Amino acid sequence: ETGVTQTPRHLVMGMTNKKSLKCEQHLGHNAMYWYKQSAKKPLELMFVYNFKEQTENNSVPSRFSPECPNSSHLFLHLHTLQPEDSALYLCASSQYRGQGEQYFGPGTRLTVT
Amino acid sequence: GNSVTQMEGPVTLSEEAFLTINCTYTATGYPSLFWYVQYPGEGLQLLLKATKADDKGSNKGFEATYRKETTSFHLEKGSVQVSDSAVYFCALISGYSTLTFGKGTMLLVSP
Repeated sequence: ETGVTQTPRHLVMGMTNKKSLKCEQHLGHNAMYWYKQSAKKPLELMFVYNFKEQTENNSVPSRFSPECPNSSHLFLHLHTLQPEDSALYLCASSQYRGQGEQYFGPGTRLTVT
Repeated sequence: GNSVTQMEGPVTLSEEAFLTINCTYTATGYPSLFWYVQYPGEGLQLLLKATKADDKGSNKGFEATYRKETTSFHLEKGSVQVSDSAVYFCALISGYSTLTFGKGTMLLVSP
């Protein structure tokens, strides 16, 4: 595997379910990011990790819970989501936080029913 | 704060036409500027960048020049192809900020 991978690619979940999104980067980077991409809205940065430490949480509801066990892996744990949380969730990485050259995964298309 | 404004899309062109997608920005300090591209079903990919005024970024026939006097970073390509159909995002980073993206401009190229 090369670059940034995300699993699953598609996820349908009910509002009472608990699920997790996984991201893995094979680039030796130290910073990882979660973004939310909704139709007709700008890309929203959700969380940033630098050397496994969370450096940003952009007022994300607590039903989204990130986890970064090491610099190569990033998870987004989901529980009691709302239909408006349906979106494409993108993971990205960069050598260090604050760099503009970010490498994105293909995203997980999430539908909340 | 930082912000990026892009022209509304979609931009619809015939193959071999000239492309311009406008991008202007507001930033504190001295930003670096980027264009990212998102093909259908994929994540974003860095297309080109410029880190200081008057720099020209280029890649795959696309170009953009960092214009500090007009706070602009317009994307251009002399002859578009059907395979260029995608969503294009202008973005900036300044100081210790994270990337600030524009809303994206969809480009549709027909044969």
